[in-house]
Amino acid sequence: NAGVTQTPKFRILKIGQSMTLQCAQDMNHNYMYWYRQDPGMGLKLIYYSVGAGITDKGEVPNGYNVSRSTTEDFPLRLELAAPSQTSVYFCASSYSGGTYNSPLHFGNGTRLTVT
Amino acid sequence: GEDVEQSLFLSVREGDSSVINCTYTDSSSTYLYWYKQEPGAGLQLLTYIFSNMDMKQDQRLTVLLNKKDKHLSLRIADTQTGDSAIYFCAETTNDYKLSFGAGTTVTVRA
Repeated sequence: NAGVTQTPKFRILKIGQSMTLQCAQDMNHNYMYWYRQDPGMGLKLIYYSVGAGITDKGEVPNGYNVSRSTTEDFPLRLELAAPSQTSVYFCASSYSGGTYNSPLHFGNGTRLTVT
Repeated sequence: GEDVEQSLFLSVREGDSSVINCTYTDSSSTYLYWYKQEPGAGLQLLTYIFSNMDMKQDQRLTVLLNKKDKHLSLRIADTQTGDSAIYFCAETTNDYKLSFGAGTTVTVRA
């Protein structure tokens, strides 16, 4: 099992460009999440999904979109990139919601710089 | 985020004990967690505690929970260089979303 795979690992965008961060998991997990990690700020939840076809906003959804057409994939779309979106993005998944017996499995992150 | 607070840095000598502290605001938290992030990697669950427990021990790790003060701590005994990492406190109220603290960077010096 590969676990949670994120691509790309690094990306530099110009202001106003768009891109999609890819996330795939092969553990048949129902729940998937996107977090951003900023220095000294911890992880902030952007969007999450409790199953294919269902997505919901987290704490900081503005400027992002997601889709969940399959159980395995949960791409994050940035439209009109802004410098405030410079961050490290983590995708995570769990079988049933991040509890002790179903912990979150994280990908290795995508480091995005917007200049 | 704002619901979970931790100090940002801790430096400890190899072989000593490390204590990482965390406070949270949501009294309805049902599970509290410690995640570890090594350089260049995602977070991994280190240990957890139920809100109805006071203490949990797991090899070199001891988790203490003071519900009255909403204070959680992680003690690492006999700290090794491999324990250098960022440690995140997190809590959930069982609604499928975790709230994470800012992370404590632990540096182990020889």
